[in-house]
Amino acid sequence: EPEVTQTPSHQVTQMGQEVILRCVPISNHLYFYWYRQILGQKVEFLVSFYNNEISEKSEIFDDQFSVERPDGSNFTLKIRSTKLEDSAMYFCATHGNRALGYTFGSGTRLTVV
Amino acid sequence: GDSVTQMEGPVTLSEEAFLTINCTYTATGYPSLFWYVQYPGEGLQLLLKATKADDKGSNKGFEATYRKETTSFHLEKGSVQVSDSAVYFCALTRSGSARQLTFGSGTQLTVLP
Repeated sequence: EPEVTQTPSHQVTQMGQEVILRCVPISNHLYFYWYRQILGQKVEFLVSFYNNEISEKSEIFDDQFSVERPDGSNFTLKIRSTKLEDSAMYFCATHGNRALGYTFGSGTRLTVV
Repeated sequence: GDSVTQMEGPVTLSEEAFLTINCTYTATGYPSLFWYVQYPGEGLQLLLKATKADDKGSNKGFEATYRKETTSFHLEKGSVQVSDSAVYFCALTRSGSARQLTFGSGTQLTVLP
């Protein structure tokens, strides 16, 4: 079964540093998302991406965050200057034409120290 | 805005017990409803879904029925197993352009042998 692959599985970074989280979506999927889950809390929507541009973003997704699809396969989330409160599990998700077949990656646990 | 309210956890059951996890939602229009499961250390996996009123989603012995009149999508299983221990998330996505998932807070289920 096709998978969404996320790397790294765990990243530890110092406050103020930039991090890039990577996702390889399923090849024929068109819609890409980032979600995050702070430990013990609900999964929250960050941003959706379609046709090489952001289609929707939440209030969490401020100027410190950016996404891109640099080479047609990877889908990345960049946090420009990490804060302690950015510590969370970050999930990439993709789907095809209809929003009924989301596939989630296994997540990247980001720890900001 | 859209919201999903789930039964508070944690829930602890003995093997072969009956499971119900309550989920109610608030959304405009006719959302699609989902249950996702997160096993320890893993990402989110789609458990089942329903796209219109009175639809019943089912998978691996789990069932949930889309009840528009009560805006509910309760998860049930007749006989749980130790391997069902996980966190269960109820979620919705609205029809139309807003495709992101809105999640409930999750319910931790522990099944004891």
